Parts: sequence; C-alpha cells; structure tokens
Amino acid sequence: SQTIHQWPATLVQPVGSPLSLECTVEGTSNPNLYWYRQAAGRGLQLLFYSVGIGQISSEVPQNLSASRPQDRQFILSSKKLLLSDSGFYLCAWTPGGVDSGNTIYFGEGSWLTVV
Amino acid sequence: GDSVTQMEGPVTLSEEAFLTINCTYTATGYPSLFWYVQYPGEGLQLLLKATKADDKGSNKGFEATYRKETTSFHLEKGSVQVSDSAVYFCALSVTNAGKSTFGDGTTLTVKP
Repeated sequence: SQTIHQWPATLVQPVGSPLSLECTVEGTSNPNLYWYRQAAGRGLQLLFYSVGIGQISSEVPQNLSASRPQDRQFILSSKKLLLSDSGFYLCAWTPGGVDSGNTIYFGEGSWLTVV
Repeated sequence: GDSVTQMEGPVTLSEEAFLTINCTYTATGYPSLFWYVQYPGEGLQLLLKATKADDKGSNKGFEATYRKETTSFHLEKGSVQVSDSAVYFCALSVTNAGKSTFGDGTTLTVKP
C-alpha cells in the first residue's frame, strides 16, 4: 500500500532563518507531488506541484521554493523565513497523469511557527 | 475562476442529530467534487467524492449528491457521533485532482 510521510511535524523558527520540510511517498511510482499551506481557520492553498523529477510549478509568488531530487521525494525550502510563512504545511500526492477524479493523499502535516 | 463556498462554522450538534453542511461551487467545465475530513492535528483524508452530475458519494454514513442544476454538493449524515467531530472541507477539481480548489472548511463539534 502507498504511504506518505513528511517531517518535521512541528518546528519553531526565528525570522530570517532557513527552512527545509521533507516529504516522501512509498509504494507508488511517478506520483504527482504537491505542497499546500493551510492558514489558521482557512482552506488550503496550493503552493507547488511537480509531475516529475526536477519539474516544479509554482502556484503563488512567495518566499518559498520546492525541489524534487528523486521520484518520490519533495522538499519545501526557504532561505529566509518571514512571519507570514507561519502555518500548517501539507505534502500530498496523486497518481501520475491528469485526472480530475483522483483522490489526493495528504501527509500528516507540519506546523511551522515563525517567531 | 473556480471557487467553493461552504457553510460557515462552527457547527455544534448533539449526538444522533442530523447533519447538513452546505457546499456550492462555481467552475468552468465539469468538475469532480470531493469532501475531505481533517481530524485534530492530522492531514486531510478523503471522505467521499462524485465525478459526474447526479452521482452520490457515500462513506461512513455520510452522503453527498452532485447537483449540477444548483451547483451544490451538500454533505449529510443522519445520526452524528462524537467521533465525527472534525473539520470538513468541500473541494472541486476540473482537470488535475491535485490542483483542487478547497472551501474554507467547516468545524463540526458533536457533544455527547
């Protein structure tokens, strides 16, 4: 069966410090991978998605970047965090290809507090 | 652009009460519709989905029917339990499911 894991689960970082959130998927090949952010009391905002190694699309301009060094690994980074980067970050995957009916499988989430 | 509007919360019900959470959408094309549930401190998980008009998605006693004429996908359950307490998200997808548009979520609290 397929599993998705992301880490760390929680972190508190000072303004201006770097960030690295990592996500891995097991049990499938060539998944589409996604990073979402969930602000408190709000829905989800898609930040990045990737359809293959090294292929990253950004949905919103921001202080963050994403990379996909391996087929089932997706990393969210920042060189200098801002207070507005605080939130709940979710990694997710769908089967490869384009299908509006696919289920999105989410990781457990990472709580980031920038202080 | 595409959008999802869902009933504002929070919603508080007694155990065994009837639940309805409203969801309406606007979209270009013919979207697939989803309900996701998020339990405290966890990521989202699919509750149910419908991929074409008049389809009914169902799971764990929850149901939602894809109503194209009213552009709605309301979530219902006949008898809620304390364990149903969570945040519920309505979402739509027109092309790629991973690029879904989500509503803001409705927090449900069920009291014994």
